Amino acid sequence: KQEVTQIPAALSVPEGENLVLNCSFTDSAIYNLQWFRQDPGKGLTSLLLIQSSQREQTSGRLNASLDKSSGRSTLYIAASQPGDSATYLCAVGLDSSYKLIFGSGTRLLVRP
Amino acid sequence: KAGVTQTPRYLIKTRGQQVTLSCSPISGHRSVSWYQQTPGQGLQFLFEYFSETQRNKGNFPGRFSGRQFSNSRSEMNVSTLELGDSALYLCASAGLAKHTNEQFFGPGTRLTVL
Repeated sequence: KQEVTQIPAALSVPEGENLVLNCSFTDSAIYNLQWFRQDPGKGLTSLLLIQSSQREQTSGRLNASLDKSSGRSTLYIAASQPGDSATYLCAVGLDSSYKLIFGSGTRLLVRP
Repeated sequence: KAGVTQTPRYLIKTRGQQVTLSCSPISGHRSVSWYQQTPGQGLQFLFEYFSETQRNKGNFPGRFSGRQFSNSRSEMNVSTLELGDSALYLCASAGLAKHTNEQFFGPGTRLTVL
């Protein structure tokens, strides 16, 4: 059974710092991995999608990497800003259907 | 281009009642998935519909059901509500080849069961 873990559960950093959020999964046979952010009481915003054949994806200040063999993905946020404060969730797609298995998230606070 | 919409945004029901939630996907998307989010269990997959067929179902009791219409809009129904059904219910749509499985979520329906 696929399990997804995110460490740390919470993170507080000063503005401007570069940071890394971690996601690990137990079964390397994934179809894709998607990173989302969620603001309090809101839905999920898609940040990056990495297909199983890819090693990384970049969008602006965000870079996500994927290492299937070790069951790990990282989300790198450069030059963090207070507006980046949110909960970040990673989710693993198991096959070509659209079912996602989510981690429990990392709650990020960027202090001005 | 309109995103995923969910109605209603908030619902308050009492135990034993039933509820129907609605989700309209992004235009052109044929897949709609439903998730339940609670503080204790996080985000859990309920079911996924593609072209009016349920393709996948999560580990939820039969009180949770859904359907998808020919225009891809989907409804989720929960019968005989329990206190533990209080949650944020999120739907996601996908299906354009360009985005290859990337899923886009709606704002959610906050259900409170009293």
